[in-house]
Amino acid sequence: KAGVTQTPRYLIKTRGQQVTLSCSPISGHRSVSWYQQTPGQGLQFLFEYFSETQRNKGNFPGRFSGRQFSNSRSEMNVSTLELGDSALYLCASSLGQGEDIQYFGAGTRLSVL
Amino acid sequence: QKEVEQNSGPLSVPEGAIASLNCTYSDRGSQSFFWYRQYSGKSPELIMFIYSNGDKEDGRFTAQLNKASQYVSLLIRDSQPSDSATYLCAVNWRTGGFKTIFGAGTRLFVKA
Repeated sequence: KAGVTQTPRYLIKTRGQQVTLSCSPISGHRSVSWYQQTPGQGLQFLFEYFSETQRNKGNFPGRFSGRQFSNSRSEMNVSTLELGDSALYLCASSLGQGEDIQYFGAGTRLSVL
Repeated sequence: QKEVEQNSGPLSVPEGAIASLNCTYSDRGSQSFFWYRQYSGKSPELIMFIYSNGDKEDGRFTAQLNKASQYVSLLIRDSQPSDSATYLCAVNWRTGGFKTIFGAGTRLFVKA
């Protein structure tokens, strides 16, 4: 069974640009969560989606948004990039229906110059 | 403010010893508890999950949960150099969906 797939693996952008990251969950998993990992702040929860609906959101500015499609694939968008957005962005999937064990993808490393 | 606290370490143990990793959390409403292992440059890998008070064993790993004292721990028996990694404690709050808060992680070094 394939794991969680994140694309692209690496991205380099400049300040002010926007970026879209993609996550394909494990087959059968309907919940997708997004996290930002930086050396200073550790792993921080961005948001969780289930059946195309955002169920929970972390404490990030509105520049960070996401969506989920009917096939459970999810995208995360960051607009007006700032230097501080440089991080490893991780996606995790779970069954989501009464079960919250999450499995992580390999991540997308975003560098903002 | 929900918080999850871990000693950042590094924790250094000799090969074959027991490594003990601890985690405390701030909110009694927490419902699910997880330990992940993360090697440098890699994504977190699930090791254990525990929902109820007490111990849960899986191979060389034992997770311990004490909800009254708001702590969860991970014991690694017969530690191996390949166990050297950062161990992340994660706590879920089920609020319709769920929200996960991670601790900052404890770096473990197992000396051969």
